[in-house]
Amino acid sequence: QVQLVQSGAAVKEPGASVMVSCQASGYTFRNYAIHWVRQAPGQTPEWMAWINGGNGDTRYSPKLQGRVTLTRDTSASTAFMDLTSLRSEDTAVYYCARVGEPTGTFDYWGQGTPVTVSS
Amino acid sequence: DIVMTQTPLSSPVTLGQPASISCRSSQSLVHSDGNTYLSWLQQRPGQPPRLLIYKISNRFSGVPDRFSGSGAGTDFTLRISRVEAEDVGVYYCTQATHFPRTFGGGTRVEIK
Repeated sequence: QVQLVQSGAAVKEPGASVMVSCQASGYTFRNYAIHWVRQAPGQTPEWMAWINGGNGDTRYSPKLQGRVTLTRDTSASTAFMDLTSLRSEDTAVYYCARVGEPTGTFDYWGQGTPVTVSS
Repeated sequence: DIVMTQTPLSSPVTLGQPASISCRSSQSLVHSDGNTYLSWLQQRPGQPPRLLIYKISNRFSGVPDRFSGSGAGTDFTLRISRVEAEDVGVYYCTQATHFPRTFGGGTRVEIK
């Protein structure tokens, strides 16, 4: 069965960086994209970015452009999200989600990684 | 960005009764490829979102048939024919037609 397993919770100081990983299993990693979505406490989800599991192409939300970088390791079926210059507004649960055919949308989600930014 | 407006904010429902959630987009969600990339997610308390419906009306694998989606253009609806206790949670519409992908504000379904 399709599974996305994310790295554990992180607590960071303002200005620091955080990297979250997302290990996929149960499907061919190269055939799907991995998207990253975050959800601040009590808020609606916010789309951040996506990476093509096959060719590594990426696209980022204009709001986060310059602070977020996605990479992947196809040999480990793992995607990574790096967010820099953290501020308190980045406190959220970060999710990875698979996107591909036939749905064209987020069909499987990771369990979520809480990131707290606090001094 | 496309604004997705959901109503109501909250929907108290009696077990076994129907529930309906509306989602309106600020622009048509018909893609140039002919598809309409409007989907519905369910988020139970403390859980990640779960895909229910994609491309307006297609139920995802394992989703009970009491969930159905309809609509076109800018107006969409999610219906639950008979609400069960496990349906409690927040429901979001989301669009993937336009960049960037956006989500509605959410509708909380609770039992009366």
